[in-house]
Amino acid sequence: KAGVTQTPRYLIKTRGQQVTLSCSPISGHRSVSWYQQTPGQGLQFLFEYFSETQRNKGNFPGRFSGRQFSNSRSEMNVSTLELGDSALYLCASSLRQGGQPQHFGDGTRLSIL
Amino acid sequence: GESVGLHLPTLSVQEGDNSIINCAYSNSASDYFIWYKQESGKGPQFIIDIRSNMDKRQGQRVTVLLNKTVKHLSLQIAATQPGDSAVYFCAEKEGSGNTGKLIFGQGTTLQVKP
Repeated sequence: KAGVTQTPRYLIKTRGQQVTLSCSPISGHRSVSWYQQTPGQGLQFLFEYFSETQRNKGNFPGRFSGRQFSNSRSEMNVSTLELGDSALYLCASSLRQGGQPQHFGDGTRLSIL
Repeated sequence: GESVGLHLPTLSVQEGDNSIINCAYSNSASDYFIWYKQESGKGPQFIIDIRSNMDKRQGQRVTVLLNKTVKHLSLQIAATQPGDSAVYFCAEKEGSGNTGKLIFGQGTTLQVKP
């Protein structure tokens, strides 16, 4: 069974641009959560999607958004990129909303120049 | 607990010894806890979890202990191997509701000396 797949693995952008990251959950998993990992703040929850609806949201500005498609695949978007958005963005999937354990992908490393 | 600071605590053990990694959590209402292992360049890998109605759970070479009185969680790794070298994170599910939000600790780096 394939794990959580995130694309791309690496991305370099400049300030002010926008970026879209993609996540394909484990087959059969319907809930997708996104996390940001930085050396200073650690792992922080961004949002959770289930049945194409955002169910929970972390404490991030509105520049961070996401969506989920009918096949449970999810994308997150960051607009007007700032230097502080440089981070590893991780996606995790589980069977249902609030389901545990969550299984993580290997992330997308986003670098802002 | 919440992730703070720039430096991760480090635990250095000899190969074959047992390792104990500790974690304090913040919310007495949390009903689910989980340990992840993260190797360089990879995402967190699920190790073991425990619900608040238990105080101990065992897996293969790993044991998680939960002390709700002092809001403390520990991960014990038996016969530590070089492949166990990684950063270990504890996490608590936020509250007892239907949320997928995990609150992560700052992580502990485990170094295994051959």
